[in-house]
Amino acid sequence: EAGVAQSPRYKIIEKRQSVAFWCNPISGHATLYWYQQILGQGPKLLIQFQNNGVVDDSQLPKDRFSAERLKGVDSTLKIQPAKLEDSAVYLCASSSGTARLSNTEAFFGQGTRLTVV
Amino acid sequence: AQSVTQLGSHVSVSEGALVLLRCNYSSSVPPYLFWYVQYPNQGLQLLLKYTSAATLVKGINGFEAEFKKSETSFHLTKPSAHMSDAAEYFCAVEVGDSNSGYALNFGKGTSLLVTP
Repeated sequence: EAGVAQSPRYKIIEKRQSVAFWCNPISGHATLYWYQQILGQGPKLLIQFQNNGVVDDSQLPKDRFSAERLKGVDSTLKIQPAKLEDSAVYLCASSSGTARLSNTEAFFGQGTRLTVV
Repeated sequence: AQSVTQLGSHVSVSEGALVLLRCNYSSSVPPYLFWYVQYPNQGLQLLLKYTSAATLVKGINGFEAEFKKSETSFHLTKPSAHMSDAAEYFCAVEVGDSNSGYALNFGKGTSLLVTP
């Protein structure tokens, strides 16, 4: 089966500009995650969707970050305006259903590497 | 909140030597634990997971991990390192509930270097 697709792979922008990332999860996967991975750190959950509804966005900096998942399939993550500290790899992941991850698996995309200069 | 701590941000082993990557968890209830591997410029790939069925868990690529409740640990091991094992390794714990859904809370990662 096709994996989680993300685009673009790399993006360089100036601070205060806006940027958007796109994610296409594995077909049929109800749960979609966006993680932020800063260099030298583990991935940090930004937002979690079940179908097209948000179930957890407690760690999303809502003053500048937004995300949507239209029709419960593709998702976009936007940053506006970007700051230097937003430089990171943004990972999208998906899992089937809403079951515990002990009973299923979260599959990760290759990520988008964002550099803010 | 449940969390994991990975001891050692960098580990270096010789090819053929034992690999030991350490992970300790903080949880008031038995957690579900995971090890993921990340190769350069790639996403994360699941190596293995502990789901309380067995304390010794075997994963892909010859890796295994043992859940030790008395030590609150879930260390990852491989008897003989291969050059292709060089990568970043992340320990993670499942968080959430049936209302909010389930996600992974990751440690900071351990970079494994394998030398000839």
